[in-house]
Amino acid sequence: SQELEQSPQSLIVQEGKNLTINCTSSKTLYGLYWYKQKYGEGLIFLMMLQKGGEEKSHEKITAKLDEKKQQSSLHITASQPSHAGIYLCGADYTGTASKLTFGTGTRLQVTL
Amino acid sequence: GAVVSQHPSRVICKSGTSVKIECRSLDFQATTMFWYRQFPKKSLMLMATSNEGSKATYEQGVEKDKFLINHASLTLSTLTVTSAHPEDSSFYICSALFISGRAYNEQFFGPGTRLTVL
Repeated sequence: SQELEQSPQSLIVQEGKNLTINCTSSKTLYGLYWYKQKYGEGLIFLMMLQKGGEEKSHEKITAKLDEKKQQSSLHITASQPSHAGIYLCGADYTGTASKLTFGTGTRLQVTL
Repeated sequence: GAVVSQHPSRVICKSGTSVKIECRSLDFQATTMFWYRQFPKKSLMLMATSNEGSKATYEQGVEKDKFLINHASLTLSTLTVTSAHPEDSSFYICSALFISGRAYNEQFFGPGTRLTVL
């Protein structure tokens, strides 16, 4: 089984709706990174969470890490077409960000 | 954030030829860079860790003689796919490790290179 599971695999939401993407690790994380990728392009850093219970927000995107540091959620409020893309979580199990393990990704489509 | 470039962005080659992909950190020095491979609708798979001035560290199952990595300077790492075959067709992404001096370091990713082997 995968060390890092992401759900859902894909998501279609209407513009203006909220959505949540989950990332679950089979073991304790040192850190959890969220990235966004447009098809055929590189990854754009969104947020990094390190402390249990930590929550960070940037514009309409909020990410949380649970107290046990094994699960993270990414929440988008009032989604827009610009939010469409692939969202990837990356787990740091070493504490150095030098070897990230990536989740399977969530493909988000936002309809008008 | 810091910028990492990759060249070329797309390459099409014939089976049996070798292809070199460059990864550059444009505004910071990176002693460590990473090479990933991404299959359609799949996640990123770490292929190897590229260390400036020393040999790359390859992940299990990745052939080091097939995927040659050279990290000759603090801003450049290259990946050469030798004797490419159609099964090597993929999206290759590099990243550079930025040592921030803060509580966490960060990987900055290049835009990727799409390799198609005919």
